[in-house]
Amino acid sequence: EDKVVQSPLSLVVHEGDTVTLNCSYEVTNFRSLLWYKQEKKAPTFLFMLTSSGIEKKSGRLSSILDKKELSSILNITATQTGDSAIYLCAGPTKQGGSEKLVFGKGTKLTVNP
Amino acid sequence: EPEVTQTPSHQVTQMGQEVILRCVPISNHLYFYWYRQILGQKVEFLVSFYNNEISEKSEIFDDQFSVERPDGSNFTLKIRSTKLEDSAMYFCASSRLSYEQYFGPGTRLTVT
Repeated sequence: EDKVVQSPLSLVVHEGDTVTLNCSYEVTNFRSLLWYKQEKKAPTFLFMLTSSGIEKKSGRLSSILDKKELSSILNITATQTGDSAIYLCAGPTKQGGSEKLVFGKGTKLTVNP
Repeated sequence: EPEVTQTPSHQVTQMGQEVILRCVPISNHLYFYWYRQILGQKVEFLVSFYNNEISEKSEIFDDQFSVERPDGSNFTLKIRSTKLEDSAMYFCASSRLSYEQYFGPGTRLTVT
């Protein structure tokens, strides 16, 4: 069964700290891995990593895929209180015509002033 | 920037009643999905829809659930006879190429 495991489940830091969130995955026929940020409601898309694009960066956020280790990390540098959210990792699996996303439980990040 | 929209934002219903949750996916997207998230738990896949038919459904998506794309813009999830355990946040998502899925703001369903 496809599985996505995230760690830690919860993390509390101070503004300005750098954090690293972990995701490991076991999905059939790996094609990509996605990171989402969930604040109050909907997951909002951050990054998609594939075999041909194993590192992505957007401002203070960056993500690396280790296809050999079947894992990914999400780094946030110089954290701000607005970074407080649940960060979700998801792996698409495909049976039939379309993908479904298998989500991890998420890492709840709290950034204190 | 185009986004997925959902209505209502919150629905309260009594056990046994039918509910219809509505979604308007991003206009040039081809793949549509419903997920749910019970409070404090993972986001779980319910169903995917492509080319006017269900592509895949999870074990959760039993005979009480159905989906429809009644026109060119709306995508609906119907629960025929709601149960207490159907209380959850329901997310609609859409994607153009079936990889990057964009989520709507969700409908919080409360079954009493």
